This record gives sequence, C-alpha cells and structure tokens, in this order.
Amino acid sequence: GAGVSQSPRYKVAKRGQDVALRCDPISGHVSLFWYQQALGQGPEFLTYFQNEAQLDKSGLPSDRFFAERPEGSVSTLKIQRTQQEDSAVYLCASSSRRGQAWGDSPLHFGNGTRLTVT
Amino acid sequence: AQTVTQSQPEMSVQEAETVTLSCTYDTSESDYYLFWYKQPPSRQMILVIRQEAYKQQNATENRFSVNFQKAAKSFSLKISDSQLGDAAMYFCAYNTGTASKLTFGTGTRLQVTL
Repeated sequence: GAGVSQSPRYKVAKRGQDVALRCDPISGHVSLFWYQQALGQGPEFLTYFQNEAQLDKSGLPSDRFFAERPEGSVSTLKIQRTQQEDSAVYLCASSSRRGQAWGDSPLHFGNGTRLTVT
Repeated sequence: AQTVTQSQPEMSVQEAETVTLSCTYDTSESDYYLFWYKQPPSRQMILVIRQEAYKQQNATENRFSVNFQKAAKSFSLKISDSQLGDAAMYFCAYNTGTASKLTFGTGTRLQVTL
C-alpha cells in the first residue's frame, strides 16, 4: 500500500483481556516505531525496530506490553491483561532510514488504533 | 531529559489570517531536529515542517514557516493565509541525531473560522 496501515482502527477490550494491534509499514521501510497517545496528550514513544531487531524498548510502560516484528516488515503490539490506563490511541510509524539518526528522513505515521478498555 | 512545552492548548484564527503557535524545548544537546506535526481527526500525524538545529536559516514550506531561536530554545510555527483545512491539532516535536525517538509536546488545537 501507499501508506502505513494499522488494524483494527478501533478496539474495545474488557479489563484483563489480551489485545494485539497490527502495523503494516510502507514496503521497504527498515525502521518502525510504536507510540502511545493518551487522550489530550502528545504521542509518547514505546519502542523502535530496525528490521526485525528491537533496538529500543525503553518506552514500554510495563512487562504487559510486548512488540515484535519477526520478518522485518509487519509488526504487532501485544498488551496482556489490559487495564483501564491502557486506553489510548496506538500509533505506528515507519521510516526508510537505517540507524538512529533519522532526523533528516521523515516518519510516516498510520491512522492509529484507538483502544478502549472497559 | 528533553522536554517540549506547548503553552497554548487552543488557538483560533480567521480564514486568510495569520496565526503563530508557540513551542519551547529543553535540551543539553547541541545537535538536534525540531518538527511540527499536524494531526487531523483521522489521527494520522502529518509532517508540516522540519528544522535542523545547526541551520540558522528558518525553514519554510509554502504557507508554513518557523521562527527558530536556538539560544532561547524556542520554535514557533507561523501559518499564513489560514485555510479551513488547517484546522487540526498541531504538535511540536524534538529529536536528537543519536536518539531513536521523537519527544512531543501536548499539542495546540487550531480552529479556523470563516
């Protein structure tokens, strides 16, 4: 596709359920990022992949959050035993640039998944 | 730690007028990048403009320009000839050349009125 695709667009989960959020980056993009955006806030970094390697997971809020990108393309963000504070929009972004210094290469964002935990 | 502050939760501008959105940041780095992103109701973050800290010249992209004051750690966005389609959340963001993540501000909601 032409852009970053995320699914589902909306997800409602009962507290304690596990959820999986999918991101299809732009074809050929080596860098992939996950961000969490709480209501009324700016996005906050969760994790970063370069190809299949997870190079930075410092933003994951707890061990209930897990992300993978096994073949270096599609990525899944999994949240186990969801809590109400996990309610947020989860944004995925990709970039063609390798390495960490990507300031001169734009990030392409998807439309996000809005997760509501009831 | 780097922080980005947007002190204007909401701004309003009339169509065809000019508006300036404010952003300040805190960093001890000398080499970094600053960005303005637009987020419409579709939720997709769209890059509006980008500034490299080592460049003294302010970036411009058509109707969008920035006022980058490195010593004051200020990075404001000016939108000229505002259009209805400019209505959105605007986020200021920061990134160092060696870090993998963007640090965002809390955003400014821009309304454009007729």
